[in-house]
Amino acid sequence: DVKVTQSSRYLVKRTGEKVFLECVQDMDHENMFWYRQDPGLGLRLIYFSYDVKMKEKGDIPEGYSVSREKKERFSLILESASTNQTSMYLCASSRARSALHFGNGTRLTVT
Amino acid sequence: SQQGEEDPQALSIQEGENATMNCSYKTSINNLQWYRQNSGRGLVHLILIRSNEREKHSGRLRVTLDTSKKSSSLLITASRAADTASYFCATDRGSTLGRLYFGRGTQLTVWP
Repeated sequence: DVKVTQSSRYLVKRTGEKVFLECVQDMDHENMFWYRQDPGLGLRLIYFSYDVKMKEKGDIPEGYSVSREKKERFSLILESASTNQTSMYLCASSRARSALHFGNGTRLTVT
Repeated sequence: SQQGEEDPQALSIQEGENATMNCSYKTSINNLQWYRQNSGRGLVHLILIRSNEREKHSGRLRVTLDTSKKSSSLLITASRAADTASYFCATDRGSTLGRLYFGRGTQLTVWP
């Protein structure tokens, strides 16, 4: 069974802090994704990666960066957290053209 | 940018009834997928239907795809209270390495 693990379920950070959200998958998937989910807006893609050290911007990359140094790990970085980044963050992985496997999400609150 | 749009936004039914959710999309697709999300959790993949398929079954789930109308439907038969969740459709446009475009979802509530 594919497992996608997000490092934290809940996180509370202060405005201006640098925040790291970590995601690890154990199925050697090429693709990894970071989405944020907000009520009424559905899932919006922040960044995705199709290989180690490769990254592509999604629909809302502003204020975020990512790192993929190893195939199994995809990190989302909030360089300077702001209150409008309070959200549920979902990591997913997949093989090309196949179903996404999601982690359980990190609910981030920025105060 | 969302690709799929689910309809209705919310659906409330009794146990034992069937639940039908619809998804419309705007561009050509490689495949369409349905996902389920329990409150506060990640999404779970339910079923994938390719653009050359018209219908697919998995247990109590039945998915249809009409590429001429750019629409899909998810039917859950004999609903149970445990089916209460949000359901999302997602489309693979076939262009960017498996990226999916999600709709805003249908919230299904099944009353015991």
